[in-house]
Amino acid sequence: AQKVTQAQTEISVVEKEDVTLDCVYETRDTTYYLFWYKQPPSGELVFLIRRNSFDEQNEISGRYSWNFQKSTSSFNFTITASQVVDSAVYFCALSEAGRNTDKLIFGTGTRLQVFP
Amino acid sequence: DGGITQSPKYLFRKEGQNVTLSCEQNLNHDAMYWYRQDPGQGLRLIYYSQIVNDFQKGDIAEGYSVSREKKESFPLTVTSAQKNPTAFYLCAIQTDRDTEAFFGQGTRLTVV
Repeated sequence: AQKVTQAQTEISVVEKEDVTLDCVYETRDTTYYLFWYKQPPSGELVFLIRRNSFDEQNEISGRYSWNFQKSTSSFNFTITASQVVDSAVYFCALSEAGRNTDKLIFGTGTRLQVFP
Repeated sequence: DGGITQSPKYLFRKEGQNVTLSCEQNLNHDAMYWYRQDPGQGLRLIYYSQIVNDFQKGDIAEGYSVSREKKESFPLTVTSAQKNPTAFYLCAIQTDRDTEAFFGQGTRLTVV
């Protein structure tokens, strides 16, 4: 079965600390796509990154970096030098090829609180 | 302005009432989705529609209904049959599985 696990329910850090959000997925597909979304207090989900199953190259975007490892079925997200504005709920998601459509399977989210 | 618009932002429902949540998009996407978010449970798919006049049940469709009479509109009705409707509802569009989904700002529904 397709599944996404975010074992960390809540993480609290102090500004400027580095923090890693874990994501482990399960899928029978050989081709699949993984996503990270940020949900600030306003509620809207903001897209952060997309990764396909054939591209295991790590990616860095400013203070954000992602580590994709097929061998461990993980797609972890690291924020370097965290800031208060990073406080949000972060979701990892897997794109599933359904019978009639493609849908996203979400993890339960990790709430990140960054304190000044 | 392009995007997805959900309304209202907050909605209160009395027990036994049906309420309809609006989702409108002007991005000309065919596929639209409704997700429900509960604390600690992530997002779960309620209904989706690939084309006009067609829609399919998601994982938690019981107590909900939808329509897709126009490409740009995909309203969700929370019926009185939905026993626990208090939640945050998000509408989304997604072109293909390899593209990101775009979400509306959500509607927070509370039963009073």
